[in-house]
Amino acid sequence: EPEVTQTPSHQVTQMGQEVILRCVPISNHLYFYWYRQILGQKVEFLVSFYNNEISEKSEIFDDQFSVERPDGSNFTLKIRSTKLEDSAMYFCASTKDRFNTEAFFGQGTRLTVV
Amino acid sequence: QKEVEQDPGPLSVPEGAIVSLNCTYSNSAFQYFMWYRQYSRKGPELLMYTYSSGNKEDGRFTAQVDKSSKYISLFIRDSQPSDSATYLCAMTYSGGGADGLTFGKGAHVIIPP
Repeated sequence: EPEVTQTPSHQVTQMGQEVILRCVPISNHLYFYWYRQILGQKVEFLVSFYNNEISEKSEIFDDQFSVERPDGSNFTLKIRSTKLEDSAMYFCASTKDRFNTEAFFGQGTRLTVV
Repeated sequence: QKEVEQDPGPLSVPEGAIVSLNCTYSNSAFQYFMWYRQYSRKGPELLMYTYSSGNKEDGRFTAQVDKSSKYISLFIRDSQPSDSATYLCAMTYSGGGADGLTFGKGAHVIIPP
């Protein structure tokens, strides 16, 4: 069964450092998403991406975040200068269409900022 | 204002009983409703989605939507210990962009063997 894969599974970084989280969406999907889940809290939408540009973003997705599809398979989330409060699980998801009714999620990257 | 409310539990149910979960929402613009299952430190896994008021059944799972009350439910029949997980409701708009999902906090369900 096709799946969304994310690397690394766990990343520890020092405050102020840049991190790049990587995702390989399902190959025939066209829409890509990043979500985060702070421990004990809701899964929160960060950004959606379609046709090589941001489609929607939440208020959480500020200037320290950026997304990119550098090639035909990878989808990345960059956090420029990490803060302690960026510690969370980050999930990538993909869908065939914009209605987002059948989103497939990756297993997540646990980001720990120290 | 996007807001989805879900009682986080934990909810302990004897094996074989029916698990009943629900969420309420405040924004009538939500049109699509999903239920996800999430095991500890794993990604959400889609169980079902629906977009109309009424019931939708898939095996042991039944999703129910009442748009007039802004209330959705998930029922799990013949519950098994393997159903122990966190269940997340999620919903989204039918807008022109790729709107993200708005999730409830998740309900932790325990089914002891």
